[in-house]
This record gives sequence, C-alpha cells and structure tokens, in this order.
Amino acid sequence: AQSVSQHNHHVILSEAASLELGCNYSYGGTVNLFWYVQYPGQHLQLLLKYFSGDPLVKGIKGFEAEFIKSKFSFNLRKPSVQWSDTAEYFCAVNAQEYGNKLVFGAGTILRVKS
Amino acid sequence: EAGVVQSPRYKIIEKKQPVAFWCNPISGHNTLYWYLQNLGQGPELLIRYENEEAVDDSQLPKDRFSAERLKGVDSTLKIQPAELGDSAVYLCASSSRGSNTGELFFGEGSRLTVL
Repeated sequence: AQSVSQHNHHVILSEAASLELGCNYSYGGTVNLFWYVQYPGQHLQLLLKYFSGDPLVKGIKGFEAEFIKSKFSFNLRKPSVQWSDTAEYFCAVNAQEYGNKLVFGAGTILRVKS
Repeated sequence: EAGVVQSPRYKIIEKKQPVAFWCNPISGHNTLYWYLQNLGQGPELLIRYENEEAVDDSQLPKDRFSAERLKGVDSTLKIQPAELGDSAVYLCASSSRGSNTGELFFGEGSRLTVL
C-alpha cells in the first residue's frame, strides 16, 4: 500500500538554525511530491512541489526540497529558520499507479524559539 | 479571489446525533475533495468529486457517511449517526486541473467533537 513517512513529529529549533525535515515514500513508479504547511490558525497551503526536472526545487519563504529517487526521499530544508516558520509541515505524494490520489504523511510540528 | 469556504468551523454534538458540513470551493474548480484529519495525523481522503460525480469514495464509511455535490459546485458531507471516533477535523479542498497535479487549495476545516 502507498505510504508516506515523516521521521520527526516534533522539532524545536532556535532562530537562525538550519532545518531539515525528512520524508520518505513507498512507491516505485512515477510520483509527484509536495510539501504543504499549516501555520497556526490557518488552512493548509502549498509550500513547494516537484513534478519533474531539476530534483532541487525551491518554494516560498526560502524553503527548498531535494528529490532523491534512489532513496525514495523528498526532504525539506531551510538554511536559517525564523520564528514565523513555526507551523506544521506535511509531505504528500501522488502516484499515477494509484490513481493520482494524494497521500499525506503524519506531519511534523516545527516550533522555532525566538 | 475567495478561498475554499467551509462551515461550520466548530461543531459539538452528542453521539448518535447527525451532523453536516458544507463546503464551497474556489470558483471554477471542478475537483472537490473531502479529507479527514485525526489528531496527530495527516489528512486522509474520504471522497473526491470531478464536477458532480464521485470518482473516488473508496475510503468513505458508507454505513454512516454520505456526501453530495448536486450541481457540481458546493458540497455537503453528512454523518448519521455520529460516533465518538468521528471527532476530527473535516477538510474540504478543491483544485482546477484535476487530481493529477496534487495542487490542492484547502479550507480552514470543520472541527467536530462528539461527546
């Protein structure tokens, strides 16, 4: 069955620290990969996405993610976090072989201390 | 541009009572989704509509859950009767280019508490 794993459920960082959130998926075929973010009190919104091409994708607010096909991974990174990055981050994947159904990971709650 | 609108934002009911959630997608979006989000978990798809047709309802517990999108615009999700385990956030999302892109626009969700 299709699944998405996010390694850490809670992460606490100080401002200016570097961030890397892990995401692994279980599909072997062609996939589209996404990171969504939910800021406190707000709705889920797209942070960045990968469909094809350059495996290093850049999103809003200085975030980037790298698709490593051999590792079935799509980790999210930011060189220097800010207090305003405090949010919950969800990795999501869809695969043509599963009818393009978007499957989410369990989420990682990031708290940035000022 | 208005986003996805959901109501109510919060609902508290006793078990065995019915409840309904309403969603109005972004104008022009033909694909509408209902997701269930339990505490500490990611959203899980309940049902997906392409216009008024339910194209994926495999995860919808049909004994107590029902959904409709009669005119291909807004949608209603109903639970009857509600059980304690139904306490969760019910998310509605819409997209304009079908399900193969994954770029969904979400509403703020309807938080259900069943006592």
